[in-house]
Amino acid sequence: NAGVTQTPKFQVLKTGQSMTLQCAQDMNHEYMSWYRQDPGMGLRLIHYSVGAGITDQGEVPNGYNVSRSTTEDFPLRLLSAAPSQTSVYFCASSYAGTGSYNEQFFGPGTRLTVL
Amino acid sequence: TQLLEQSPQFLSIQEGENLTVYCNSSSVFSSLQWYRQEPGEGPVLLVTVVTGGEVKKLKRLTFQFGDARKDSSLHITAAQPGDTGLYLCAGARGDDKIIFGKGTRLHILP
Repeated sequence: NAGVTQTPKFQVLKTGQSMTLQCAQDMNHEYMSWYRQDPGMGLRLIHYSVGAGITDQGEVPNGYNVSRSTTEDFPLRLLSAAPSQTSVYFCASSYAGTGSYNEQFFGPGTRLTVL
Repeated sequence: TQLLEQSPQFLSIQEGENLTVYCNSSSVFSSLQWYRQEPGEGPVLLVTVVTGGEVKKLKRLTFQFGDARKDSSLHITAAQPGDTGLYLCAGARGDDKIIFGKGTRLHILP
């Protein structure tokens, strides 16, 4: 099993550009989520999904869109990149969301810089 | 307002010393997890606690969940350089969201 994979690993964008961060998991997990990590801020939840076709907002959803057409994939779209979106982005998955004993498996992260 | 407050934010101690880091909230959580993150990698789960008052041990690491399920602590005995890293607590409530604290950056000096 590859676990949770994220692409690209690094990305530089100009203000106003759009892009999609890819996330895939091969563990048949229902729950997937996107976090951003900034210095001194820990991990902040952007969007999450409890299953294919179902998504919801986290703590910091503005400027980001998600969709979940399959169980395996959960892409994160930046519609018009802003310097404030410079961050490290982590995708995570777990078997069944927030239930007890649910371990979240994290991808290696995407380091995004917006100029 | 941060839902989960972790303290201290930074901790640098000598090898062999003991330490405790804290994760506090005014909210009740159905479960609370501790993760460790190495530079350039995603967090990795250390433990999940689900019952108020629960204590779990993982070698030299002892995790405790508060009786009211609002707080947790991580105690490391005889810290080693390999314990260096960012320790994150994460709480789950009943709304399908898993919220993380800001983390405690631990550095163990050899």
